[in-house]
Amino acid sequence: EPEVTQTPSHQVTQMGQEVILRCVPISNHLYFYWYRQILGQKVEFLVSFYNNEISEKSEIFDDQFSVERPDGSNFTLKIRSTKLEDSAMYFCASSKGVQPQHFGDGTRLSIL
Amino acid sequence: DQQVKQNSPSLSVQEGRISILNCDYTNSMFDYFLWYKKYPAEGPTFLISISSIKDKNEDGRFTVFLNKSAKHLSLHIVPSQPGDSAVYFCAASGAQGGKLIFGQGTELSVKP
Repeated sequence: EPEVTQTPSHQVTQMGQEVILRCVPISNHLYFYWYRQILGQKVEFLVSFYNNEISEKSEIFDDQFSVERPDGSNFTLKIRSTKLEDSAMYFCASSKGVQPQHFGDGTRLSIL
Repeated sequence: DQQVKQNSPSLSVQEGRISILNCDYTNSMFDYFLWYKKYPAEGPTFLISISSIKDKNEDGRFTVFLNKSAKHLSLHIVPSQPGDSAVYFCAASGAQGGKLIFGQGTELSVKP
């Protein structure tokens, strides 16, 4: 069964550094999402992407964040200058229609 | 953000019995509801969904019930199996799809 794959599984980065989280959505899916889950908290929506542009973003998704679909298969989340509070599990999701969304196994981001 | 609430952080059930997981929501604009299962170190896995025009949807051992007047949905698992032990998340989205709003999750433990 097709899967959403995310790399790396764990990323450790110094505060202030840039980090890029990578995702390969399911191949015939058209809608792409990033979510995050801070330890002990809910899964929170960050951004949705459709037709090569952001369709919706949350308050969390400020100017430090950006997304890109550079080559028609990868979908990346970049955090420009990481803060301690960016430490979380980041999940990529994709969907063929508007629902249901299928999730990857996540990237654990640890900011030191 | 308390738009979707799962008030029971944990539930323990005997193998073969019914598991009932509950979810409440406050936003009457939600149009689509989903249940996800999550094992440790994995991403959420889609289980079953229901549109707001229905009050029941069934898929094998899993049934979701929606009570719009009470803004309440529940997931029934019959019969419960030890492999069902996981965290279950309720999620909701608007009519146009897009972002999912998640509950806090309920950890189900099915004992042999």
